[in-house]
Amino acid sequence: QQPVQSPQAVILREGEDAVINCSSSKALYSVHWYRQKHGEAPVFLMILLKGGEQKGHDKISASFNEKKQQSSLYLTASQLSYSGTYFCGTGPGGSNFGNEKLTFGTGTRLTIIP
Amino acid sequence: DAGVIQSPRHEVTEMGQEVTLRCKPISGHDYLFWYRQTMMRGLELLIYFNNNVPIDDSGMPEDRFSAKMPNASFSTLKIQPSEPRDSAVYFCASSYGPTGEQYFGPGTRLTVT
Repeated sequence: QQPVQSPQAVILREGEDAVINCSSSKALYSVHWYRQKHGEAPVFLMILLKGGEQKGHDKISASFNEKKQQSSLYLTASQLSYSGTYFCGTGPGGSNFGNEKLTFGTGTRLTIIP
Repeated sequence: DAGVIQSPRHEVTEMGQEVTLRCKPISGHDYLFWYRQTMMRGLELLIYFNNNVPIDDSGMPEDRFSAKMPNASFSTLKIQPSEPRDSAVYFCASSYGPTGEQYFGPGTRLTVT
């Protein structure tokens, strides 16, 4: 099943924070986060491979709660360049983690306004 | 590296015609993926290869779709015959290792009339 993301869309002013959630009805073994700008290809942000893992670079970070079968992406002090649609991709596990076979979420459209 | 290369970038064809999409992965990557993106269904994995061998094609919608990877630097996705419902953006992506980040190509926008 496709993971569910929330919210579906959000509008922020520059400098505000945002949280995007990704929930699955199945056990999660890995979570990828990607950002896609309109008319462009998805671009990798980060991958979390262990429950409880947290990662971040610049002002974008993510957490992975294996027990709750969910991951959250945090955008702090948002910039205009953060605008786009954010997708989580979940891996089914298995040998070699099975991360290669991703099921992508429904997407969250983030709009940053000046 | 030039990144993942896809051709053509845009394709408009009539129903019933054969369509071939092409992809050149990043050199050294051992996984190659074909995705389809539509507004209704989002981003779907169609098929993926590891070291040129198809691993999982369960996402291929019908027998009209086929994919090949004759060598490490080239893959094709063919639709024969094409139908209007095949209209979508088709992405190719590649990665190194099963836990590697996936690098997407620019996509091919297919329109079937």
